[in-house]
Amino acid sequence: AQTVTQSQPEMSVQEAETVTLSCTYDTSESDYYLFWYKQPPSRQMILVIRQEAYKQQNATENRFSVNFQKAAKSFSLKISDSQLGDAAMYFCAYRSPYTGANSKLTFGKGITLSVRP
Amino acid sequence: EAQVTQNPRYLITVTGKKLTVTCSQNMNHEYMSWYRQDPGLGLRQIYYSMNVEVTDKGDVPEGYKVSRKEKRNFPLILESPSPNQTSLYFCASSERTGVSYEQYFGPGTRLTVT
Repeated sequence: AQTVTQSQPEMSVQEAETVTLSCTYDTSESDYYLFWYKQPPSRQMILVIRQEAYKQQNATENRFSVNFQKAAKSFSLKISDSQLGDAAMYFCAYRSPYTGANSKLTFGKGITLSVRP
Repeated sequence: EAQVTQNPRYLITVTGKKLTVTCSQNMNHEYMSWYRQDPGLGLRQIYYSMNVEVTDKGDVPEGYKVSRKEKRNFPLILESPSPNQTSLYFCASSERTGVSYEQYFGPGTRLTVT
């Protein structure tokens, strides 16, 4: 079974600075998908960015980018030019490419990011 | 607007009183699932459905039931709720299984069982 580990429960960043959120995972599969979700105080789950394991290029979405290290099974999220609206809980998640029970998202425990004005 | 809706958003109930949390999506998605979120545990899958009349257990199915009689609806049933089912529940749907299609989440249902 796959596992996702987010070892830092909380982080803080100064507004306009850059912060990196860490995530590691364990899997025996060679192909899979990785995601970062944002959960603001409204509790809505918002997809921030996704990475396909077969792609060597790191995904980027505006101020959000990932550092995907497949051999190390590491998938960190970098937030540049942090804004007050980035304050939220962030979840790293894994999804197998196969059908059935493996179609679920396996989540890490989450990290709470606070942004200091 | 493409969306997943859940009702109710908040519910306080007592032990043993049967309840249903509804979930509906308007995107014609085949795959739907239920997750519960607990502090320090992240989100864990309760049940999932790959299509109408096709459902199966996730990681934490004890105490829950589901049904999928229509493609758009996937209700979560707690026949005899207990305090350990106090949690935040999310319904999610996606276009297909086994690929990277985004899972769309509902707004969440905060359930308290006393």
